[in-house]
Amino acid sequence: RKEVEQDPGPFNVPEGATVAFNCTYSNSASQSFFWYRQDCRKEPKLLMSVYSSGNEDGRFTAQLNRASQYISLLIRDSKLSDSATYLCAVRVLTGGFKTIFGAGTRLFVKA
Amino acid sequence: EAGVTQSPTHLIKTRGQQVTLRCSPISGHTSVYWYQQALGLGLQFLLWYDEGEERNRGNFPPRFSGRQFPNYSSELNVNALELEDSALYLCASSVQDRVSSGANVLTFGAGSRLTVL
Repeated sequence: RKEVEQDPGPFNVPEGATVAFNCTYSNSASQSFFWYRQDCRKEPKLLMSVYSSGNEDGRFTAQLNRASQYISLLIRDSKLSDSATYLCAVRVLTGGFKTIFGAGTRLFVKA
Repeated sequence: EAGVTQSPTHLIKTRGQQVTLRCSPISGHTSVYWYQQALGLGLQFLLWYDEGEERNRGNFPPRFSGRQFPNYSSELNVNALELEDSALYLCASSVQDRVSSGANVLTFGAGSRLTVL
């Protein structure tokens, strides 16, 4: 089983739609959680950290469920510019820290 | 403020050759991480350096190695290149990675794209 799993998609949605991504992780000792965005042939960039109480940044809402070991990302009012791959990332302590990434979920927003 | 810089941006090698990739972290960042991203795949953790020491290593063979210099820049070396080493190699940096540092955000460079023929 992969340490961090995501639905690869792709998700094809119209502009203005609401879309949700889920991510599950296997290490119960995971400490920190993140969503990164990666545009085609570019480097990943932090979208937002995910806090236990859930957090929101504009149209983006992230939630963490430690009991079920999953995190989610909700994008409201999708824009064409939201088209990208969204990577879930989990920071774990196994022989030293490392941040493990999911394989990513591709989102295409269409006019 | 300069971001994470990597060089070279692109390179082509043949099987059996050796390659060295370089990374300069953001000023003030002491931790450097290396990831491999093969085409269509996710980021695979390679190595983590902090304060000049290798702190953690992913599931890669010993021919993947590296080091971190006193100025916190880093090199990734790959020996005896194989076709499946073709990938985007990403370097990221962060402030010192400690238990108490909470959410440790990684900032990535643009990567070095390696093609092995």
